[in-house]
Amino acid sequence: KNQVEQSPQSLIILEGKNCTLQCNYTVSPFSNLRWYKQDTGRGPVSLTIMTFSENTKSNGRYTATLDADTKQSSLHITASQLSDSASYICVVSAEKYGNKLVFGAGTILRVKS
Amino acid sequence: NAGVTQTPKFQVLKTGQSMTLQCAQDMNHNSMYWYRQDPGMGLRLIYYSASEGTTDKGEVPNGYNVSRLNKREFSLRLESAAPSQTSVYFCASRQISNQPQHFGDGTRLSIL
Repeated sequence: KNQVEQSPQSLIILEGKNCTLQCNYTVSPFSNLRWYKQDTGRGPVSLTIMTFSENTKSNGRYTATLDADTKQSSLHITASQLSDSASYICVVSAEKYGNKLVFGAGTILRVKS
Repeated sequence: NAGVTQTPKFQVLKTGQSMTLQCAQDMNHNSMYWYRQDPGMGLRLIYYSASEGTTDKGEVPNGYNVSRLNKREFSLRLESAAPSQTSVYFCASRQISNQPQHFGDGTRLSIL
């Protein structure tokens, strides 16, 4: 069982609408949680990094939240644009404790006009 | 800024052939990584190099070798390609562990 589970696997929304992607993890302890955006045919690009003591982090229309008690994170996208169509990957880092990054399988988001 | 550059972008091999995937970064980063990405799975670490002159195995190293040629370049070699190695390979780099990794755009490798 993957230590980082993302839901939904895929999502289609209309341009201008908001959406929320979920990430549940079992990695423990961990030092930070990251969200990456991966456009089709490109490498992942970092959106946010949160340490275990942070509850929320924003990057433009992207807002990530973290609940370390329930081991859940979410990525909220506001006023979606066609360019938001991509795969969004949740990554948990336990490197401070001698382990490596654990990647989720990603949520594929399609924004349609 | 080029960032992380991977070559080639696409390659088709026959089973048993060998090949080297190249990766170079121009950000003066200490650490470099090789991942593979398969459908429905998260990125999996093959090998990494924490600093120039060092390399270590990741989660799925079997069938691969790496060389940290200098601070800029980190290559991945398949000595005898197998169909199970059909995947998209990503190289990444970063300066220190609490910073995000910077990824290249991948090499799409098919082994027949």
